[in-house]
Amino acid sequence: EIVLTQSPGILSLSPGESATLSCRASQRVSSNYLVWFQQKPGQAPRLLIYGASSRATGIPDRFSGSGSGTDFTLTISRLEPEDFAVYYCQQHNASPYSFGQGTKLEIK
Amino acid sequence: EVQLVESGGGSVQPGGSLRLSCAASGFTFNTYAMTWVRQAPGKGLDWVAGISDRGESTYYADSVQGRFTISRDNSKNTLYLQMNTLRAEDTAVYYCAKDGRGYNFGLFDYWGQGALVTVSS
Repeated sequence: EIVLTQSPGILSLSPGESATLSCRASQRVSSNYLVWFQQKPGQAPRLLIYGASSRATGIPDRFSGSGSGTDFTLTISRLEPEDFAVYYCQQHNASPYSFGQGTKLEIK
Repeated sequence: EVQLVESGGGSVQPGGSLRLSCAASGFTFNTYAMTWVRQAPGKGLDWVAGISDRGESTYYADSVQGRFTISRDNSKNTLYLQMNTLRAEDTAVYYCAKDGRGYNFGLFDYWGQGALVTVSS
């Protein structure tokens, strides 16, 4: 099973700043099969990024994904108040599909 | 607009059974694989099971293999999860999600609002 480790666990920033979230895989993951989700309290996860760098429908361009192999990054530029949430990476390169443990982005 | 609405959650004693349903609309249900993902209280996401578009292929996490059964009724646009021999560690919000392909691809592009399952004596 591919284990995904996200860092940091908690990221405290202010609106207007930029956020960099990391996702590291225990084995190589094809870039085509790495996705990022956003989850707000009491809500279902929302797909943000698929294929490591492609934005899902309706996702603002301040969200961007990058990376390859075992190291992937989600960058959120110009943080808006609605961006403060928990972010998960997920791989679907190999079953069982696995998620990272999440990074909580909180308002400083 | 894609909509996924789960139902059937509730409280059950250890060893008991429960069946979740997920009613789908807004897309051609019988051309996409579907999946269940769960989230224990205050924890992260955990993939549970998946099923292909016509239901001929199913996949399970080791933690639920032999206890849970995923199925679908394409005539009713509904996904199911039959959960037997429930354990306390199965307590979670269960989400149904649409896959991006007809086979078990693992790209979950739309999610329901979730159904809470509590296993406790």
